[in-house]
This record gives sequence, structure tokens and C-alpha cells, in this order.
Amino acid sequence: QKEVEQDPGPLSVPEGAIVSLNCTYSNSAFQYFMWYRQYSRKGPELLMYTYSSGNKEDGRFTAQVDKSSKYISLFIRDSQPSDSATYLCAMSIRPPGNNDMRFGAGTRLTVKP
Amino acid sequence: EAQVTQNPRYLITVTGKKLTVTCSQNMNHEYMSWYRQDPGLGLRQIYYSMNVEVTDKGDVPEGYKVSRKEKRNFPLILESPSPNQTSLYFCASSLRVGVVGTEAFFGQGTRLTVV
Repeated sequence: QKEVEQDPGPLSVPEGAIVSLNCTYSNSAFQYFMWYRQYSRKGPELLMYTYSSGNKEDGRFTAQVDKSSKYISLFIRDSQPSDSATYLCAMSIRPPGNNDMRFGAGTRLTVKP
Repeated sequence: EAQVTQNPRYLITVTGKKLTVTCSQNMNHEYMSWYRQDPGLGLRQIYYSMNVEVTDKGDVPEGYKVSRKEKRNFPLILESPSPNQTSLYFCASSLRVGVVGTEAFFGQGTRLTVV
């Protein structure tokens, strides 16, 4: 069983829809949770960062962490065609920058105009 | 502009022919690492470096070497490439280890094909 599971999609939604992206994990020691966005032919870029359980909001993006269920989510409100990308979840036991970060396989999202 | 630069972007090579993928960052970051990205497997860490002359193995180090002689450069060396090393490679850097909120900057990627 992979430590981090993420549905690869692809996921296709119309512009303006609310998008929900999810990851589950098996290691209860994970404390730091991240979402990266990766455009085609580009490197990943950090989108959201949360520590432990709870919600974090940044503009149209909301990250949720439920440690009791070992489940994290990224919500995108009022989705735009520019949100079309692959979204990677990542998590680590220690602060990012150590060598224990684990990535999901990524969910490919297309937002159609 | 703050960036991580990898070269080359694309490379096709033959089995056994030594190659080096260069990585350079202009942000004075202490921490640098290499990942490979394969379909269905996500990003997996190959090697990382906490600072100059300090390197260590990640999750999938077999068949790779690295060096960190200067803070800005972290080349990835494949001494004898094999077809199972065909992958998309990313170099990443972070300001320093252990600081909450430190953002990892990724390079543009190097698509390597070994035939």
C-alpha cells in the first residue's frame, strides 16, 4: 500500500465549478501537508501549506486536513481555465526540507471554458 | 528572478553512456534535492543535500550520484544509465531545512530517455 494515495483523474469540470481534490494517507505521523500545482511541462509550485488538522484559505483555494480520517482535501471555488493543471498532494513528518516528504501521484484537472 | 535552472531539458541517450544533469539555483538556498517523477508513482526523492559537501540518499538512490561542491550547484550524475532510469527529473531547492513555511522551488524538469 502506498503511503499517499491520490486519484489520478483525469477530472474535467466547467468553468465556475467547485473542484474537490483529495488524498488519503496511511502514516499517522504526518504533520505537514502541502498542495502543489504543476502545469504541463513545468515543475511543481507550492500552492497551499497547512500544519496538523484544520482548514486554511487563500483566495479561491481552501485546504482541509482531517488527521483522524487521514484525509486531506483541496477545494477550488469559481474554477478558471487557468486552474487546469496537475495537483499534487504532499506530506511530511518533519518540516518540509527534510527527506521524509511523500507525494501523491497527482490529479490532472481540466477546467473547460 | 529567483529560479532553479536545470539543463538539459530533454535528453535521449544510450544505455551505459555516462551523463550529468546540471542544477543551479540563484537564491542562496541551503537545501537542494533531486526527484524523479513517473506516471502513477508521483515524485520520489533520489538524493538531497543539506548544504555544501553534505549529501545523503533519498528513497531511490540506486544508479545515481550527486555532488555539492558549491552552494548554488547540485548536479545529478548517471554513471551507467539504464532504460529503467527513463523518467522526468526535477531539481528542487529550499531556503533551509526545518523552517516552517520554507518553500521548495522546483526546476523546469529534465525529460531523460535511455534506449
